[in-house]
Amino acid sequence: GQQLNQSPQSMFIQEGEDVSMNCTSSSIFNTWLWYKQDPGEGPVLLIALYKAGELTSNGRLTAQFGITRKDSFLNISASIPSDVGIYFCAGTGNQFYFGTGTSLTVIP
Amino acid sequence: NAGVTQTPKFQVLKTGQSMTLQCAQDMNHNSMYWYRQDPGMGLRLIYYSASEGTTDKGEVPNGYNVSRLNKREFSLRLESAAPSQTSVYFCASGSDSWGAQHFGDGTRLSIL
Repeated sequence: GQQLNQSPQSMFIQEGEDVSMNCTSSSIFNTWLWYKQDPGEGPVLLIALYKAGELTSNGRLTAQFGITRKDSFLNISASIPSDVGIYFCAGTGNQFYFGTGTSLTVIP
Repeated sequence: NAGVTQTPKFQVLKTGQSMTLQCAQDMNHNSMYWYRQDPGMGLRLIYYSASEGTTDKGEVPNGYNVSRLNKREFSLRLESAAPSQTSVYFCASGSDSWGAQHFGDGTRLSIL
């Protein structure tokens, strides 16, 4: 099946630091999406990207749809303890594919 | 504030038993999806329904069946449960096929 490589697998950062994670694909995607999942809950949509080159912000979160349509990144600025969770990228081509997640731990 | 509602939240089955997982959405979405989530593997698509009256296989459909009962409801059935089907199952819905999806809180299923 489609491979979405998400990195890093895990991150341990100090409160207040910025965070960056990315996703790459072997195929072109039409849409890139970023989700956050808290323990015991379903993924929650953070940002949706629909055009190559698009840069979109949602509060302290910023994501970009890569020009090649094969990658995307998510930045979180000035991290806070409630940012803890697992972040997933997802891409849509002929189906919907999820990355394997980045686990974020924020140390107060 | 419902969104996507899944029932039950937890279930334990014995090998060979059957079970139907229920999902309902109140956002008037056309498309609905069933995923399973296993440790270290992200979410994998089991079945989807692009619109009422249609269903299609996803990446891992073996051992499952689905029914799109109406626009709101999409159920997932395990006819003869196997230990390999122990997982967390998520239902999702979206206004367009393969657009942004909204997820329920999951059903945690253990098969002994």
